[in-house]
Amino acid sequence: NAGVMQNPRHLVRRRGQEARLRCSPMKGHSHVYWYRQLPEEGLKFMVYLQKENIIDESGMPKERFSAEFPKEGPSILRIQQVVRGDSAAYFCASSRGVEETQYFGPGTRLLVL
Amino acid sequence: DQQVKQNSPSLSVQEGRISILNCDYTNSMFDYFLWYKKYPAEGPTFLISISSIKDKNEDGRFTVFLNKSAKHLSLHIVPSQPGDSAVYFCAASMSRSQGNLIFGKGTKLSVKP
Repeated sequence: NAGVMQNPRHLVRRRGQEARLRCSPMKGHSHVYWYRQLPEEGLKFMVYLQKENIIDESGMPKERFSAEFPKEGPSILRIQQVVRGDSAAYFCASSRGVEETQYFGPGTRLLVL
Repeated sequence: DQQVKQNSPSLSVQEGRISILNCDYTNSMFDYFLWYKKYPAEGPTFLISISSIKDKNEDGRFTVFLNKSAKHLSLHIVPSQPGDSAVYFCAASMSRSQGNLIFGKGTKLSVKP
């Protein structure tokens, strides 16, 4: 059973460009969570989605960031007009249900030049 | 404002001895706690969890202890092995029905052969 897949693993963007990060949950998992880890910090919750619905976006910055989890295909975290402060590791996790254990993907390391 | 604190950034232990990783929290509403292990360039891997109705949970070499009155939990690894060398994150949530995990900054464990 394949684990949570994230791509790309590394992404370099120049300031002002858009970054799209993809997450394919484990088979049978319909709950997806995105976290961000800044250097020397713990993971910070961003958003929790269930198929086609945003359940909790309390950790998402109000501007430039959006997330979706369509009926078909991976979940996408989109960052518009990236700035240097967006450089971080972005981790996606999935679970079978909200009360089930969250399993993490390998992360996407975003570097903004 | 850190709600989950891991005050030791690093810990070094001899192979075969016990490793004790500590975690303190400030929010008395937390009632579910987890430990994750993370290797460099990988995502966090779930280790063990505990609900606030318990004070101990054991899984093989890993035991988590919860002291609600002190708002403190600890992870014991016995015996420690070189492969246990990794960063360990403590995480908490208000309930198992909430997807928002709040992480500490992590403790880097080094197990010396």
